[in-house]
Amino acid sequence: DTAVSQTPKYLVTQMGNDKSIKCEQNLGHDTMYWYKQDSKKFLKIMFSYNNKELIINETVPNRFSPKSPDKAHLNLHINSLELGDSAVYFCASSRVLVGQPQHFGDGTRLSIL
Amino acid sequence: DAKTTQPNSMESNEEEPVHLPCNHSTISGTDYIHWYRQLPSQGPEYVIHGLTSNVNNRMASLAIAEDRKSSTLILHRATLRDAAVYYCILRAPGAQKLVFGQGTRLTINP
Repeated sequence: DTAVSQTPKYLVTQMGNDKSIKCEQNLGHDTMYWYKQDSKKFLKIMFSYNNKELIINETVPNRFSPKSPDKAHLNLHINSLELGDSAVYFCASSRVLVGQPQHFGDGTRLSIL
Repeated sequence: DAKTTQPNSMESNEEEPVHLPCNHSTISGTDYIHWYRQLPSQGPEYVIHGLTSNVNNRMASLAIAEDRKSSTLILHRATLRDAAVYYCILRAPGAQKLVFGQGTRLTINP
């Protein structure tokens, strides 16, 4: 029944490693997003994809590479992890129509040792 | 992106109404006013949105000032489950992203 699901829920890894976070939505939406919530709890957009095409890239380091194999999935791959990447990452989806609400997953807590 | 201003925190009692204010004096004529909330250890959740007229749904009501420079989210009868951070967000038509501010942390006392 879960509308937007992310895996894993927790990710603990060492600096310099490469990791991926997966996101899937079963709402039939055509737009998906990645947001980052840092230790001060500020939520910021990172990327947005519409019909598998990148439409927003908010000056995120190129160590972060989103991949959308189809409209229902948007994965986030992070290379050479740094301490500052520790945060909670949220995936979201929506219809592309004006004003449509975004539906968020429960987040992936990434901790870099 | 037009800015919103919310109190850092508010406290209320269970089963009482809660009025959460938001100031947005630089709102443009076409910006929608959206409210989301984030419960502990969860992702943000859509609550309600409006443009000019007051709006009601099963979760809350949104009262928008006539000049649109402020709005109030109304929870008619708060429950413990309503304890969350509430975000007031302005969204231009066609804007894909949500720009979150600091929000208001709402505490509900039993």
